[in-house]
Amino acid sequence: EAGVAQSPRYKIIEKRQSVAFWCNPISGHATLYWYQQILGQGPKLLIQFQNNGVVDDSQLPKDRFSAERLKGVDSTLKIQPAKLEDSAVYLCASSFAGRGHEQYFGPGTRLTVT
Amino acid sequence: GENVEQHPSTLSVQEGDSAVIKCTYSDSASNYFPWYKQELGKRPQLIIDIRSNVGEKKDQRIAVTLNKTAKHFSLHITETQPEDSAVYFCAASSTGTASKLTFGTGTRLQVTL
Repeated sequence: EAGVAQSPRYKIIEKRQSVAFWCNPISGHATLYWYQQILGQGPKLLIQFQNNGVVDDSQLPKDRFSAERLKGVDSTLKIQPAKLEDSAVYLCASSFAGRGHEQYFGPGTRLTVT
Repeated sequence: GENVEQHPSTLSVQEGDSAVIKCTYSDSASNYFPWYKQELGKRPQLIIDIRSNVGEKKDQRIAVTLNKTAKHFSLHITETQPEDSAVYFCAASSTGTASKLTFGTGTRLQVTL
């Protein structure tokens, strides 16, 4: 079974620039999550999708962050404009709703904002 | 919302000794408690989980216990090995469509020879 795929793996941008991350979940997984993990901290949920609908985006800074999951499969997370404090690893995870709640993580995208 | 506290933040044990990491949660509706292991620069990986209808679960050298009354759960690793060195995260969530995981702050475990 292929795992959660993410790209790019690394990204360096200057503040006020824009950046986008891509995630492809495990085939058949209806639920997709985006987490932000700042160095030395646990992952923090940014947004959760069930198929192509948003279930929880309460911790997403909507003035600069946006996410979509068209067709209920792949997802993109965008930051526009980026701030220094956005430097973190952005993790995508997926789970098969209805068969427990195990979440499987992708390798993450390490973002550095200079 | 849910709040998960995790202790200790760092733990150093000698190879062969046991390690215990403890977490507390605030939301009595939480009923799913996974533990993730994250090696440096790698993705978090699920190592064991427990649901609120059981008090203990074991898988070889690792075990998790849950005390719903006190709202705390613990990870126990016996006969530690150098490859157990990593950061361990506990998490809690309620089941249902919006199964949001709230993570603890992590415990860096170092197993020394």
